[in-house]
Amino acid sequence: EDQVTQSPEALRLQEGESSSLNCSYTVSGLRGLFWYRQDPGKGPEFLFTLYSAGEEKEKERLKATLTKKESFLHITAPKPEDSATYLCAVRHSNYQLIWGAGTKLIIKP
Amino acid sequence: NAGVTQTPKFQVLKTGQSMTLQCAQDMNHEYMSWYRQDPGMGLRLIHYSVGAGITDQGEVPNGYNVSRSTTEDFPLRLLSAAPSQTSVYFCASRRTTDSSNEQFFGPGTRLTVL
Repeated sequence: EDQVTQSPEALRLQEGESSSLNCSYTVSGLRGLFWYRQDPGKGPEFLFTLYSAGEEKEKERLKATLTKKESFLHITAPKPEDSATYLCAVRHSNYQLIWGAGTKLIIKP
Repeated sequence: NAGVTQTPKFQVLKTGQSMTLQCAQDMNHEYMSWYRQDPGMGLRLIHYSVGAGITDQGEVPNGYNVSRSTTEDFPLRLLSAAPSQTSVYFCASRRTTDSSNEQFFGPGTRLTVL
């Protein structure tokens, strides 16, 4: 069965404490893996697209990596404004997206 | 650009009532879609459209209808609301030629069915 699992469900960090969020997937015919950020009461906001194992993308304090089974979103020296829910989605061979349930990240000052 | 706009922001319906959730985008995007988001679950695709006059079903289409008469607008109709349709609904759009496949989401409509 095709599925996307994100872990942990929630993560509390101190400001400046680096960590990683995980997105593991079992999908036939991967056509891309996507990371989005969602603030409370708002729609998701695009962060990254990864297409092949070994690919990496960076944006400010965020870095996304991809292997054949999972993706990591590394956050380096996070700030309180990085607090949000981070969503992972995988494009299936039929070109539709399968979304994970998200990781809620809380950064304490 | 206003991006993707959705109305209303909040709505309460009684079981059996019908309503239309509005979605519009001003970016001339070909692809538009509707998702629902429920606690503890990933976004689930309801319906999508690859251009004016073309629509197709997603993962959870039952109880919903869509139409795409223009590039800009993609309304979602609830035919006879049920409590199981209580959810947050998001409309999204993207350009089909964009290699990043970035989707732009609206602010959402929070629907409660009593």
